[in-house]
Amino acid sequence: AQSVAQPEDQVNVAEGNPLTVKCTYSVSGNPYLFWYVQYPNRGLQFLLKYITGDNLVKGSYGFEAEFNKSQTSFHLKKPSALVSDSALYFCAVRDQVDSSYKLIFGSGTRLLVRP
Amino acid sequence: KAGVTQTPRYLIKTRGQQVTLSCSPISGHRSVSWYQQTPGQGLQFLFEYFSETQRNKGNFPGRFSGRQFSNSRSEMNVSTLELGDSALYLCASSSRQGAGYEQYFGPGTRLTVT
Repeated sequence: AQSVAQPEDQVNVAEGNPLTVKCTYSVSGNPYLFWYVQYPNRGLQFLLKYITGDNLVKGSYGFEAEFNKSQTSFHLKKPSALVSDSALYFCAVRDQVDSSYKLIFGSGTRLLVRP
Repeated sequence: KAGVTQTPRYLIKTRGQQVTLSCSPISGHRSVSWYQQTPGQGLQFLFEYFSETQRNKGNFPGRFSGRQFSNSRSEMNVSTLELGDSALYLCASSSRQGAGYEQYFGPGTRLTVT
């Protein structure tokens, strides 16, 4: 079964510093991995995805993610954090059963960027 | 393009009642998925509809059902509400084209069962 794990409930970082939100995955076959962000009282916003190709994926709002097959990781990164990046971040993997698709989400990591 | 819309945004119901939630996908998207988000269980898949057919269902009791119309709009229904059904219900749409299959989420419907 496909799964993702986010080992940190919360990540704290100072504004202007680089940030990393960790995600590890367990899949059979090729992984299709995603990052989403959720702001209070909002739905999930798509940030980026990895399908195949370059291990460094660039996404929205200056975020990027590094796919590492040997470590089965897909960590989200940003070179310089903003206070407005404070939100709940979810890693997800696509699961396909016959002709159906669904996303399996990690437990989420709350990012707090302090001024 | 307009995003995914969900109505209503907030609902308060009493145990034993039933509720219907509505989702309008992004124009051109034919796949609609529903997820339940709770503090304890996180984000859990409910079901996916594509071309008016339910393609998959998550591990939820039969009280949870849904349907999709010919214009791709979808509704989900929960009958005989329980306190544990209090959650944020998220709808997501996708074009289901290409390998990426990223899903775009609506703002959710916050359901409170008292």
